[in-house]
Amino acid sequence: NAGVTQTPKFQVLKTGQSMTLQCAQDMNHEYMSWYRQDPGMGLRLIHYSVGAGITDQGEVPNGYNVSRSTTEDFPLRLLSAAPSQTSVYFCASRQGTYGYTFGSGTRLTVV
Amino acid sequence: RKEVEQDPGPFNVPEGATVAFNCTYSNSASQSFFWYRQDCRKEPKLLMSVYSSGNEDGRFTAQLNRASQYISLLIRDSKLSDSATYLCVVNWGGGNKLTFGTGTQLKVEL
Repeated sequence: NAGVTQTPKFQVLKTGQSMTLQCAQDMNHEYMSWYRQDPGMGLRLIHYSVGAGITDQGEVPNGYNVSRSTTEDFPLRLLSAAPSQTSVYFCASRQGTYGYTFGSGTRLTVV
Repeated sequence: RKEVEQDPGPFNVPEGATVAFNCTYSNSASQSFFWYRQDCRKEPKLLMSVYSSGNEDGRFTAQLNRASQYISLLIRDSKLSDSATYLCVVNWGGGNKLTFGTGTQLKVEL
C-alpha cells in the first residue's frame, strides 16, 4: 500500500494562477481532509469529505474548492492563487475513529 | 483562548531523561484525542491515541483528564530519535473535526 500520495511536492505559482493539488489514498478510507500548516498556527482544516460525493467546509475554506468523485481521490483546487495561500498543504485520510494518515505534503509558494 | 493549547518549548533534555508534555483543550464535548509526532519538514504521524483510562506504548504513556480538560504525554528513557515536534489533537463533532495544537518541540541531547 502506498498510503496517501500527494502531488506535486513543491509548486511556485504567480498571483492569480489556478492549480489543483492532487491527493490519492489506496486504503479505502471513508474520510479525507485537506489541511494547511503555517508557522505558529498549527494545522487548519480547509475542506473535508466523509465519502464519495460528499464534501464540506472546514475552518479556512475561502479560495479553495474540492470534489470527491471516487473514494480514492480528493483534489484541492486553488481558484485564483494569492500570497496568503503560501503554505504547506497536507492531505489526510482515516477510517472510523482511528487517527489520520497524512500525505507527505505540498509546499506551495505564491509570488 | 485557543481551542487546543500547548507549550511550544523547546524542551531540551539529555538522553535517557523522562519528559512530559501537557495539552489543554477548551471544548468539553471533545470525543477523542491523539498525539502526533512531526519531524522537521515532514508530515505528522500518529504516535498514539489517548484513552480515558490512560494507555501506554513502550516508552510512551498518554493520559486524559476530562474534568480538567487536559491530556499528557510522558516519554521515558528519551532517545536522540525522539527529537521532534509533538502535536496534541482533539476531535469533536464527528469524524473530520480535528483540531491541532501548534506543537511542543523536543530536543534530546547527548
